Amino acid sequence: GAVVSQHPSRVICKSGTSVKIECRSLDFQATTMFWYRQFPKKSLMLMATSNEGSKATYEQGVEKDKFLINHASLTLSTLTVTSAHPEDSSFYICSAMLGGNSNQPQHFGDGTRLSIL
Amino acid sequence: SQKIEQNSEALNIQEGKTATLTCNYTNYSPAYLQWYRQDPGRGPVFLLLIRENEKEKRKERLKVTFDTTLKQSLFHITASQPADSATYLCALAGMDSSYKLIFGSGTRLLVRP
Repeated sequence: GAVVSQHPSRVICKSGTSVKIECRSLDFQATTMFWYRQFPKKSLMLMATSNEGSKATYEQGVEKDKFLINHASLTLSTLTVTSAHPEDSSFYICSAMLGGNSNQPQHFGDGTRLSIL
Repeated sequence: SQKIEQNSEALNIQEGKTATLTCNYTNYSPAYLQWYRQDPGRGPVFLLLIRENEKEKRKERLKVTFDTTLKQSLFHITASQPADSATYLCALAGMDSSYKLIFGSGTRLLVRP
């Protein structure tokens, strides 16, 4: 149980393109999902907290207009990297929490490798 | 600010031995701590959660300790196997929200057959 699917797994596109990444909780409802960015051999850096039916909460230093997050249903959150540039190339990972309480583990997707040429 | 430290150097051990990984933190007191496993090119997988009032937690060959005085957690894998080779991340609840996790940079474990 608690499976999170992330799609696509890999994207290669030209500079200036907007890229949408989907994160789905397959067998549970997730009121809260998280989006992370990970650089090689580095830790996961939280970008934003995505709440179903409301605006996402962004971490300091993360551009809201650059990284658009939509959490329209209890099983789907999307991250759109708008007008992507080479410096946006990274490994993006989403996670979802089972239940609305704290002290719960996060269940992660398998990430999206984004490469901007 | 909150700081989490994990040994950045890979831990290389012989199959069958116990692997011990360390997670140290400073500047705050988390309500709980979690350990995750991450394989190359994959998302992290949850392993264990330990609360601040718990000293030790076990799950099969895994054991986690949480010393709030030392501000340290130890993660043990007994009877290690080559399949245990991966990067292990510790994560603490953020100060401003117990929903959010702050991750350490991880320690890579290599188990030699």
